[in-house]
Amino acid sequence: GAVVSQHPSRVICKSGTSVKIECRSLDFQATTMFWYRQFPKQSLMLMATSNEGSKATYEQGVEKDKFLINHASLTLSTLTVTSAHPEDSSFYICSARPQIRTGGRHTEAFFGQGTRLTVV
Amino acid sequence: AQSVAQPEDQVNVAEGNPLTVKCTYSVSGNPYLFWYVQYPNRGLQFLLKYITGDNLVKGSYGFEAEFNKSQTSFHLKKPSALVSDSALYFCAVRVATSGTYKYIFGTGTRLKVLA
Repeated sequence: GAVVSQHPSRVICKSGTSVKIECRSLDFQATTMFWYRQFPKQSLMLMATSNEGSKATYEQGVEKDKFLINHASLTLSTLTVTSAHPEDSSFYICSARPQIRTGGRHTEAFFGQGTRLTVV
Repeated sequence: AQSVAQPEDQVNVAEGNPLTVKCTYSVSGNPYLFWYVQYPNRGLQFLLKYITGDNLVKGSYGFEAEFNKSQTSFHLKKPSALVSDSALYFCAVRVATSGTYKYIFGTGTRLKVLA
């Protein structure tokens, strides 16, 4: 199946610093990528939808200035947590869906392995 | 509002016994339904999907799910559970939004298969 690579898998950072998480689709092009946040023993909460070449669409309640998303190419999207605080500690997961015009209309989304962010 | 419900936080089943993980949905139009599995500190792995056609969908690792339109359900099943099936299972529905799609996930069901 299609592969989505997320990096890093774990990161510890100091409060006030910024952290960048990368999401790459390795063997397909993804017009759209999704960023999720998962709290312990809870479901995935969609943070934003990332569209290649345009601004991301953020879900209600997600601070766009804090969670910067860039989708510069059809295979790479990045999430930057700016001025991180301990409450930003969480498991962040990205997913990508193949382009519709290449047969992706009915395909499922593929998920990265997640990034465990700990802010100390 | 469009939503997915997984009524059970945890399901325990003995190895070798059949298992069922429940999922119901509420969406407008025809639903695109998915099941994913998550192992500790890992992303989600796709198990199966229902788009159209046969109501019984077969997926990875011997799992299957039955789409029931009248009951708006999409329960995940396996005839004989393995200890290695123990994981967190998510039901999801794909919905159209602003020219693209997004996935709405259920709260997850932890499956524990006992040896």
